[in-house]
Amino acid sequence: AQTVTQSQPEMSVQEAETVTLSCTYDTSENNYYLFWYKQPPSRQMILVIRQEAYKQQNATENRFSVNFQKAAKSFSLKISDSQLGDTAMYFCAFMKHGGQGAQKLVFGQGTRLTINP
Amino acid sequence: NAGVTQTPKFQVLKTGQSMTLQCAQDMNHEYMSWYRQDPGMGLRLIHYSVGAGITDQGEVPNGYNVSRSTTEDFPLRLLSAAPSQTSVYFCASSYGQGPYEQYFGPGTRLTVT
Repeated sequence: AQTVTQSQPEMSVQEAETVTLSCTYDTSENNYYLFWYKQPPSRQMILVIRQEAYKQQNATENRFSVNFQKAAKSFSLKISDSQLGDTAMYFCAFMKHGGQGAQKLVFGQGTRLTINP
Repeated sequence: NAGVTQTPKFQVLKTGQSMTLQCAQDMNHEYMSWYRQDPGMGLRLIHYSVGAGITDQGEVPNGYNVSRSTTEDFPLRLLSAAPSQTSVYFCASSYGQGPYEQYFGPGTRLTVT
């Protein structure tokens, strides 16, 4: 079974700073997807960024980028020029590719990120 | 296009009561699922469906039933609520083929006393 671990329960940075959230996972699968979801106080789950394991290039979405290290099973999220609206819980999630049970998301415990003015 | 909708947003039950959490999507997604979110534990999969008439268990299925009679709807039933089922429940849906982005509903906060 796959597991996802986020070792930072809480983080806090000043507005405009860069922050990196850590995520490690354990799997025997070779093809899979990794995600970062954001959950603001509204409780809505919002997809931030997605990485396909077969792609060596790290995914980027505007101020959000990942550092995907497949051999180390590490998938960190970097937020550049952080904004007050980035304050939220962030969840790392794993999904295997294809086969029975595909599309089942396995989530980490979450990191509560606070951006201070 | 309403996306994924869930009703109710909040619910308080007494131990032993039954209820159904409703979930609907209007994106013609084949895949639908239910997760529960507890403090410090992230989201955990309860049940999922890969299409109408097909359901399967996730990580924490005990105490919950599901059915999928239409593509649009995927209700979650609690037959005899227990305090351990106090949680926030999320429904999600996605296309059966890639790019595998799952769209989440707004959640239902359930309290069982």
